[in-house]
Amino acid sequence: SAVISQKPSRDICQRGTSLTIQCQVDSQVTMMFWYRQQPGQSLTLIATANQGSEATYESGFVIDKFPISRPNLTFSTLTVSNMSPEDSSIYLCSAEVGGVLGNTIYFGEGSWLTVV
Amino acid sequence: GNSVTQMEGPVTLSEEAFLTINCTYTATGYPSLFWYVQYPGEGLQLLLKATKADDKGSNKGFEATYRKETTSFHLEKGSVQVSDSAVYFCALIYQAGTALIFGKGTTLSVSS
Repeated sequence: SAVISQKPSRDICQRGTSLTIQCQVDSQVTMMFWYRQQPGQSLTLIATANQGSEATYESGFVIDKFPISRPNLTFSTLTVSNMSPEDSSIYLCSAEVGGVLGNTIYFGEGSWLTVV
Repeated sequence: GNSVTQMEGPVTLSEEAFLTINCTYTATGYPSLFWYVQYPGEGLQLLLKATKADDKGSNKGFEATYRKETTSFHLEKGSVQVSDSAVYFCALIYQAGTALIFGKGTTLSVSS
């Protein structure tokens, strides 16, 4: 298994500002994933962050709005830029961990952002 | 393409009732299947998983069996508790190195 820590856990942000979410994994992992969960909805994949390469973004998400860093095998950041109230969501970091019973993806506790 | 379909919620049960949450999938190859749970105000926790046909995942009294012939992975629990009230997500990975594909989630509410 893996323990994934996210910071901040919650924040209230002003419209037009940017916020960086940090994600720390307690073991080395190759693949990390960032998701957004809007209120009452399922999870939507923002991007895949593979260490040593540029993040791969899903349709509807762009690097200028959601820049991602992946400096090493245990850490990643997601920035939500120029925020608007529509960006109020839970942002979840996750990591793929291999094992004898196959790969599993574990999640952090999420960063609950409210934009006012 | 690859997708997961869950039964619509909310599901409302009395304590000690039997729970079934249906999940079916469409995938190329041989996906791994998962159930995650999200308690109010929290992130996602892995509940159980199965990686090949006929595997049964189990945890905390919950069970799900990987049925390739019906492309299903239904979640069951024999006797639910109030503390099981949460949102349950069925998901798959169709190959290593790819992201989870989620169903829409099913809200379970258990009353005493």
